[in-house]
Amino acid sequence: ETGVTQSPTHLIKTRGQQVTLRCSSQSGHNTVSWYQQALGQGPQFIFQYYREEENGRGNFPPRFSGLQFPNYSSELNVNALELDDSALYLCASSGRGAENIQYFGAGTRLSVL
Amino acid sequence: AQSVTQLGSHVSVSEGALVLLRCNYSSSVPPYLFWYVQYPNQGLQLLLKYTSAATLVKGINGFEAEFKKSETSFHLTKPSAHMRDAAEYFCAVSYTDKLIFGTGTRLQVFP
Repeated sequence: ETGVTQSPTHLIKTRGQQVTLRCSSQSGHNTVSWYQQALGQGPQFIFQYYREEENGRGNFPPRFSGLQFPNYSSELNVNALELDDSALYLCASSGRGAENIQYFGAGTRLSVL
Repeated sequence: AQSVTQLGSHVSVSEGALVLLRCNYSSSVPPYLFWYVQYPNQGLQLLLKYTSAATLVKGINGFEAEFKKSETSFHLTKPSAHMRDAAEYFCAVSYTDKLIFGTGTRLQVFP
């Protein structure tokens, strides 16, 4: 059984650029959630995908968008990067439902200069 | 809005001492509750989960947490700290499909 993997591990972008982060979910999981963790803070929910459809969104602007593919892997896209977007981006996979454990990847650290 | 409060952003203990990390949630309906640990430059690892089956939940690495509805608390404890327990600990609640995290408590363990 493979765990949750994220790529790339680190990324440096400049303000105004666009970025795509990738996540492969754990075998048997059909739900992927994305979180942003700023330095010294707890993770903040960005959105969740279930069977290729968005299934809930946190308080993030539309320039944060995502996709889920038929194999349940997922992408997070951020357009028009801002300095405050610098953070660790975490992907978690799970079954659907609040009681299900979310299993996290190691994250992608994004630095916006 | 639902929220999670972790009292104490930093906790320091000596090796072998009791570890107590505090977590309170805001809700009239008991949620699902989780404790996660984050080691430097890593993602989050589940320590334990409360799902109403039992108020005292045992997790990995000797940690346990007690759900107290009257106090809306879910504090994490370990009887004897090890150096390897030094990490960031996050309490989280789930009412729907998203996790709401506290701001975290950094645990330092001194020899």
